[in-house]
Amino acid sequence: EPEVTQTPSHQVTQMGQEVILRCVPISNHLYFYWYRQILGQKVEFLVSFYNNEISEKSEIFDDQFSVERPDGSNFTLKIRSTKLEDSAMYFCASSEAGGVFYEQYFGPGTRLTVT
Amino acid sequence: ELKVEQNPLFLSMQEGKNYTIYCNYSTTSDRLYWYRQDPGKSLESLFVLLSNGAVKQEGRLMASLDTKARLSTLHITAAVHDLSATYFCAKAVDSNYQLIWGAGTKLIIKP
Repeated sequence: EPEVTQTPSHQVTQMGQEVILRCVPISNHLYFYWYRQILGQKVEFLVSFYNNEISEKSEIFDDQFSVERPDGSNFTLKIRSTKLEDSAMYFCASSEAGGVFYEQYFGPGTRLTVT
Repeated sequence: ELKVEQNPLFLSMQEGKNYTIYCNYSTTSDRLYWYRQDPGKSLESLFVLLSNGAVKQEGRLMASLDTKARLSTLHITAAVHDLSATYFCAKAVDSNYQLIWGAGTKLIIKP
């Protein structure tokens, strides 16, 4: 069964460093998403992406964040200058089409630890 | 601003008992999702409820949606230990791209 994959599973970085989190969405899916979950807290939407453009973004997704689909399979989230409060689990998701009639499938997550 | 509230946030119960998790939200739109998360794991889709009156069942779990009351419930029947997890409800916003999540209900089922 097709699934969303994410790498790395755990990333440790120092404050101020740049990190890139990688995702491979399900191959026939067209919409991609990033969410984050601070330990023990609720899941928060960051950004949605379609046709090489951001469709929607939350207030959390400020100038230090960016997303990219560098090739036909990868979808990346870059954090330019990490802060301690960026420590969280980051989930990538994809859906067949836009709108929430279409189920979002989640990857296993990348745990980001900023020290 | 869409708000999604779950209760209870923590639930400890014995195997064999029944219980219900509630999810209230602040808009009248349709479409609500229930997800399960095991510790340190990803989010597994359980149910997609698309319209008022929708009821879906899978094993010992049954979810329902009442859009007029802005309420969804996740009912657990004759709980078993394997159902121990955190359960989230998530609601679509008007834009239809993002999901707004409840805080989650941590469910512990004791043998």
